[in-house]
Amino acid sequence: EAGVAQSPRYKIIEKRQSVAFWCNPISGHATLYWYQQILGQGPKLLIQFQNNGVVDDSQLPKDRFSAERLKGVDSTLKIQPAKLEDSAVYLCASSKLAGGVYNEQFFGPGTRLTVL
Amino acid sequence: GQNIDQPTEMTATEGAIVQINCTYQTSGFNGLFWYQQHAGEAPTFLSYNVLDGLEEKGRFSSFLSRSKGYSYLLLKELQMKDSASYLCAVMDSNYQLIWGAGTKLIIKP
Repeated sequence: EAGVAQSPRYKIIEKRQSVAFWCNPISGHATLYWYQQILGQGPKLLIQFQNNGVVDDSQLPKDRFSAERLKGVDSTLKIQPAKLEDSAVYLCASSKLAGGVYNEQFFGPGTRLTVL
Repeated sequence: GQNIDQPTEMTATEGAIVQINCTYQTSGFNGLFWYQQHAGEAPTFLSYNVLDGLEEKGRFSSFLSRSKGYSYLLLKELQMKDSASYLCAVMDSNYQLIWGAGTKLIIKP
């Protein structure tokens, strides 16, 4: 079974530029998550999709971040314009269940973003 | 508010045993996860506890006490490859994972 795919793996941009990240979850997984992980911290949930609907985007900075999951499969996270504090690893994860108690999340390799 | 506490860093010797503690205060409880994260890599699942008690899986064991809001991850026969960060995460009443900051485990020969 193929894992969660993400691209690019690394990205360096200047502040005020735009950037987009792509994620392809494990086939058949209903739920997709985007996390931001700053060095030395745990992952912070940005947005959670169930199929192609948004379940939780309460921590997504909506003035600059946007995400979509067309057709309930792969997803794109965009930052426009980027700020220095957006430098982090952006992790995509997916889980089989739409909810429920045992809901192991499988993570992709992440995209390391550096904003100069 | 919701809070997960775990030590920032621990050091142990190869071949020894180490216990990483996690305490939590969350809105509801639907299980506790432990993930391992090597530097520069994504987290990988280690264990899941939803009932009180000890779950053993090879060299790794995880314990949960819901009444105390407490869990620990026990690693036995430590190997150099166990050097990583260990993340504690609690699933709250909305089935959202609340993550701790992680414990960086350093293994010395």
